Amino acid sequence: AQSVTQPDIHITVSEGASLELRCNYSYGATPYLFWYVQSPGQGLQLLLKYFSGDTLVQGIKGFEAEFKRSQSSFNLRKPSVHWSDAAEYFCAVGAEGGATNKLIFGTGTLLAVQP
Amino acid sequence: DAGVIQSPRHEVTEMGQEVTLRCKPISGHNSLFWYRQTMMRGLELLIYFNNNVPIDDSGMPEDRFSAKMPNASFSTLKIQPSEPRDSAVYFCASSPGGVTFGTQYFGPGTRLLVL
Repeated sequence: AQSVTQPDIHITVSEGASLELRCNYSYGATPYLFWYVQSPGQGLQLLLKYFSGDTLVQGIKGFEAEFKRSQSSFNLRKPSVHWSDAAEYFCAVGAEGGATNKLIFGTGTLLAVQP
Repeated sequence: DAGVIQSPRHEVTEMGQEVTLRCKPISGHNSLFWYRQTMMRGLELLIYFNNNVPIDDSGMPEDRFSAKMPNASFSTLKIQPSEPRDSAVYFCASSPGGVTFGTQYFGPGTRLLVL
């Protein structure tokens, strides 16, 4: 069965510092991978997604993620964090089967940004 | 585009009462999802509709929960009778049909508190 692990529950970085949020997945074939962001009191917004092709994916708000099959990882990165990036970040994998649009979400990583 | 609309945004009720959550998906989207988010269990998919037909309801916790989609522009999630453990944020999301793992657009959520 597909699964997603986000090992970091909470991360604090200083504004302007680089960021990497970890995501590991379990899937038998080439996965469909997603990163979503949730600001306080809001719904989730898609940052980026990987289906195939180039393993480095660019998203909105200056985020990027790299798919590494050998490590079963899809880590999210940003070279310079802004205070407005403080939010919760969710990695998700697309699940195959009858519900072809079903996503399995990780437990999320809460990002705090220090001034 | 108004995005996914959910009502009410907040609901406080007493144990045993019936609760109805409402969702209007983005016009033209054929897939609709209901999620529940809690601190303990994270983000869980409850049920998924495609072209108004329930495809996967394996995440519906028990018979107290029911969901309907009478037409392409409206869906409800009903809890009867409600219990304190149902307290959570309930999200509705919609996605374009005919596209595998199309982007899911989330509503702002309904915060439910059952006393």
